Amino acid sequence: DAGVIQSPRHEVTEMGQEVTLRCKPISGHDYLFWYRQTMMRGLELLIYFNNNVPIDDSGMPEDRFSAKMPNASFSTLKIQPSEPRDSAVYFCASSFDNLPQHFGDGTRLSIL
Amino acid sequence: GQQLNQSPQSMFIQEGEDVSMNCTSSSIFNTWLWYKQDPGEGPVLLIALYKAGELTSNGRLTAQFGITRKDSFLNISASIPSDVGIYFCAGQGRRTGGFKTIFGAGTRLFVKA
Repeated sequence: DAGVIQSPRHEVTEMGQEVTLRCKPISGHDYLFWYRQTMMRGLELLIYFNNNVPIDDSGMPEDRFSAKMPNASFSTLKIQPSEPRDSAVYFCASSFDNLPQHFGDGTRLSIL
Repeated sequence: GQQLNQSPQSMFIQEGEDVSMNCTSSSIFNTWLWYKQDPGEGPVLLIALYKAGELTSNGRLTAQFGITRKDSFLNISASIPSDVGIYFCAGQGRRTGGFKTIFGAGTRLFVKA
C-alpha cells in the first residue's frame, strides 16, 4: 500500500516567494497532521485536520502560513511570503485516530 | 510551554549491547509514543503505550508507560547496526482545543559493528 506521499521532496527558493507543499494521506485515514522539523526546535506540530476540518492550528507560526484540506485525499501547506527562517523539513502524517502514526518522507525547504 | 526531556542526547555503543533511553515531563500524558527516524525519511512509529504502567514489546524493543504518567522509557536489546538512527519519544494529552502530541528532542544512536 502507498504510504503518505509528499511533494516536492526538495524545494529551494528565494525569500519573498510563495511556497506550496503538498500531501496525499493514506486512503481512509481521517486525521492529517503537518509538522516542521528543525535542529533548534525539533518536531513541532503546525496544524491537524479531522475529516478535512482544521482542529488545532495553534502551532502555525504566523499569518504567512496557511493550510487547507479541500478533500480527504489532499492537503496543502502554503507559506507566503517565505523567509529564510522558514527553512526546515516539513512532514505530513496521517492516521485513523488522533495519534500521528504514518509520516511521509518530508519536504526539505530552503529559503535563500 | 510543555516540554519533554529526552535523554541521553546521543549514545555510542557496541553491537550486541543493550540500550536504554527515557523521556520525562512535568505534565501528565494519556499516551506515550516512540518513533525511529532514519536519514532523509520521516519518523516511523515503533510502539504506542496507552495506559499507566503498561509494558509493551516489539521484537527487540520494549517500552513502558510510567506509573506517574509523566515518563516513559525505551529499551533495545542486543543492538545491531541497523538500529542506528534517531529515536523520538512523544507524549499526547488533552489540551485546550483538543489533543496535542509533543515530541522530545531525540536520542541519536550510533552502533559500532
